[in-house]
Amino acid sequence: AQRVTQPEKLLSVFKGAPVELKCNYSYSGSPELFWYVQYSRQRLQLLLRHISRESIKGFTADLNKGETSFHLKKPFAQEEDSAMYYCALRISSASKIIFGSGTRLSIRP
Amino acid sequence: EAGVAQSPRYKIIEKRQSVAFWCNPISGHATLYWYQQILGQGPKLLIQFQNNGVVDDSQLPKDRFSAERLKGVDSTLKIQPAKLEDSAVYLCASSLKSSGAFFGQGTRLTVV
Repeated sequence: AQRVTQPEKLLSVFKGAPVELKCNYSYSGSPELFWYVQYSRQRLQLLLRHISRESIKGFTADLNKGETSFHLKKPFAQEEDSAMYYCALRISSASKIIFGSGTRLSIRP
Repeated sequence: EAGVAQSPRYKIIEKRQSVAFWCNPISGHATLYWYQQILGQGPKLLIQFQNNGVVDDSQLPKDRFSAERLKGVDSTLKIQPAKLEDSAVYLCASSLKSSGAFFGQGTRLTVV
């Protein structure tokens, strides 16, 4: 069965420190992975997608098919990065999008 | 462009009552999703439409939940009768076939 796992419910780091939010997936087909972010009192919004291979707000994520992972990284955390982050998997054949349980990132000043 | 619109933003009802949520997707987006997000959990897909046809409703509790997307644009999600465990945020999202999903603000439902 398709599944997205985010093992950390909460990640707290100091401003300026590196950040890595973990995401693992299980899917036998060709995956399309996303990271979504939800800032306080705002709607869920797309942060980045693996096929774009872009950096958004300093965040990057690389798809590792061998380890079935799509970890989100940023070299220097900023206070405005504090938010809920969700990893998501698209079942490409049917366009179904499955979400992980989310990680709350808290950046300490 | 305008985003996904949902109404109402908040709703409080008693158990066994009925409730309906409305969603207007981004213009031109053929795919529409309804998700349920219980506090502390990630969004769980309830139903997915492609135009006005249902693609996936495997996790929709069909004895009490129903959804429709007439004319392939707006959609409504209904719960009848509501249970306490239905308390959650109901999210509507839309997408083009090749894009990520764009979400509305959600409707926070409290069943008392």
